[in-house]
Amino acid sequence: GESVGLHLPTLSVQEGDNSIINCAYSNSASDYFIWYKQESGKGPQFIIDIRSNMDKRQGQRVTVLLNKTVKHLSLQIAATQPGDSAVYFCAEIPPGHNDYKLSFGAGTTVTVRA
Amino acid sequence: GAGVSQSPSNKVTEKGKDVELRCDPISGHTALYWYRQSLGQGLEFLIYFQGNSAPDKSGLPSDRFSAERTGGSVSTLTIQRTQQEDSAVYLCASSRAISETQYFGPGTRLLVL
Repeated sequence: GESVGLHLPTLSVQEGDNSIINCAYSNSASDYFIWYKQESGKGPQFIIDIRSNMDKRQGQRVTVLLNKTVKHLSLQIAATQPGDSAVYFCAEIPPGHNDYKLSFGAGTTVTVRA
Repeated sequence: GAGVSQSPSNKVTEKGKDVELRCDPISGHTALYWYRQSLGQGLEFLIYFQGNSAPDKSGLPSDRFSAERTGGSVSTLTIQRTQQEDSAVYLCASSRAISETQYFGPGTRLLVL
């Protein structure tokens, strides 16, 4: 299958600052992308998704940007809070029969400094 | 509403023993998925159910792994003759329909000694 990678395994952010988490994907035909957050000892939690017909989508304090030209996805978290400390995964959903098989890489661990 | 629940939350077993992991999906979700997450690793797809049927078992690592779903709701994942390499977090997810957003349970942390 295709691999979804994250640029940096760890990110340390000062509380109140904005965070940017990056993700590179390899399948140019992928048409759906999801960001998940996983706190220690818990399962992945859906944050936000975006389809390939969009470049940007905003949620509450989070924005996902999609650059199909360079196959790059990013998650921006505004005014980072201690509760944002977690591992963040991007999931790529390629078209076709197996588009239910979520595939995560190792993730980016975000640590928020007080 | 209630999310996906899994039990037990933690399981320690001895090599060679069988274990059963349980998943209760979100009410009304027809699709159910099992994944495995090893320490520091990403997610590994195991199997999915549409209703009580499992159209795709391609991710099951060996014939020691099996899963069933009854009544279109609860699912159990069974690992027979456990091995140390089976130690991982086993995650269950459900979605309203296939290919829709998957919502995960807290996982079962399995340790095989």
